[in-house]
Amino acid sequence: AQRVTQPEKLLSVFKGAPVELKCNYSYSGSPELFWYVQYSRQRLQLLLRHISRESIKGFTADLNKGETSFHLKKPFAQEEDSAMYYCALSHSGGYQKVTFGIGTKLQVIP
Amino acid sequence: EPEVTQTPSHQVTQMGQEVILRCVPISNHLYFYWYRQILGQKVEFLVSFYNNEISEKSEIFDDQFSVERPDGSNFTLKIRSTKLEDSAMYFCASSGPLAGGRTGELFFGEGSRLTVL
Repeated sequence: AQRVTQPEKLLSVFKGAPVELKCNYSYSGSPELFWYVQYSRQRLQLLLRHISRESIKGFTADLNKGETSFHLKKPFAQEEDSAMYYCALSHSGGYQKVTFGIGTKLQVIP
Repeated sequence: EPEVTQTPSHQVTQMGQEVILRCVPISNHLYFYWYRQILGQKVEFLVSFYNNEISEKSEIFDDQFSVERPDGSNFTLKIRSTKLEDSAMYFCASSGPLAGGRTGELFFGEGSRLTVL
């Protein structure tokens, strides 16, 4: 079974401080990992996916297969980063269901 | 920019009533999904739909649920006889194909909030 764990429901940081949103997963096959974000009153949207290896809005995430983790990081938090962040996993290849973690609410304090 | 649209945004119904939630996926997408989120809980997969048939469904998606793509543009979720525990936000999503048999990112609608009394 595929499972995504986000240990923190709420993470509060000061503006300019580093951010790390934790995500661990369990999956027997070859997973594809994502971070989705939901800003206040907006729809859920893709932030980044591990295969793209890109930085979006200053966020990066590295897939660590040894630790089965996909933590989301940003060196300097901005107020506009405040949102719900969902780590998600799917089977790589073909149409597939995406399994979401419970989400972490990031609150950036001015 | 194309978006997934959902109607209604909020529906209140009595227990035992039938509910149909509607979605218009992005026009060139081929894969369609329904997810739900009970208040305070995680976003849960319900069903995926491709080539006019269900490709995968979760254990939540029992005989009370059905999906349909009646006219090539709408994608509907029907709950035949609603229960109190069906109260949730229901999200429709769609995705397009990528090379190598992979699918692209999920594009979500804004959700339909269902309240069962």
